[in-house]
Amino acid sequence: GENVEQHPSTLSVQEGDSAVIKCTYSDSASNYFPWYKQELGKRPQLIIDIRSNVGEKKDQRIAVTLNKTAKHFSLHITETQPEDSAVYFCAASRMNYGGSQGNLIFGKGTKLSVKP
Amino acid sequence: NAGVTQTPKFRILKIGQSMTLQCAQDMNHNYMYWYRQDPGMGLKLIYYSVGAGITDKGEVPNGYNVSRSTTEDFPLRLELAAPSQTSVYFCASRAGVDSPLHFGNGTRLTVT
Repeated sequence: GENVEQHPSTLSVQEGDSAVIKCTYSDSASNYFPWYKQELGKRPQLIIDIRSNVGEKKDQRIAVTLNKTAKHFSLHITETQPEDSAVYFCAASRMNYGGSQGNLIFGKGTKLSVKP
Repeated sequence: NAGVTQTPKFRILKIGQSMTLQCAQDMNHNYMYWYRQDPGMGLKLIYYSVGAGITDKGEVPNGYNVSRSTTEDFPLRLELAAPSQTSVYFCASRAGVDSPLHFGNGTRLTVT
């Protein structure tokens, strides 16, 4: 089955700097890669997702890149702000499959701290 | 829409007790999921359902049971609670396998 590795587990940056979180996946058939943000004591919320037919997607200060050959994808946050401090989770799944193959497999998370 | 609603928010159980975590969604989603999140860890899938009357095991189903009698509701049953089941439990739903997951606010469960 799918396995998702996420690095680093913790990341500390100064306000205004960029942050990059990387994930690798094992199942070459995976084709849907969402990123979730979880603030302390709250539920995970989708911030951006990418499908395997594109290599990059941007939404304001957030971007995700995908390298299908190497089976890794990354979250890039530019001009970080204190409110970006949270735990970020990557995930992977086979988008067009039902049953267990369509289930999202999550990485273990990255705790991002943005220092003012 | 209220989205995904979970009750209770907090619960303390004694070892061996049983309880049901409630989950309801009002988005007419077919797919519903139960995850547990241990401190410093990611989300582990306990059970999932692709529609009313259909349920299946995830990565960590032992000690849990589910039912899906309606599209809206997906309760999680803990029988004979153990300390290892101390965790935060999230229910989630989505319209299809290519749709975003919507999470509930979670239930923090402590078993002592």
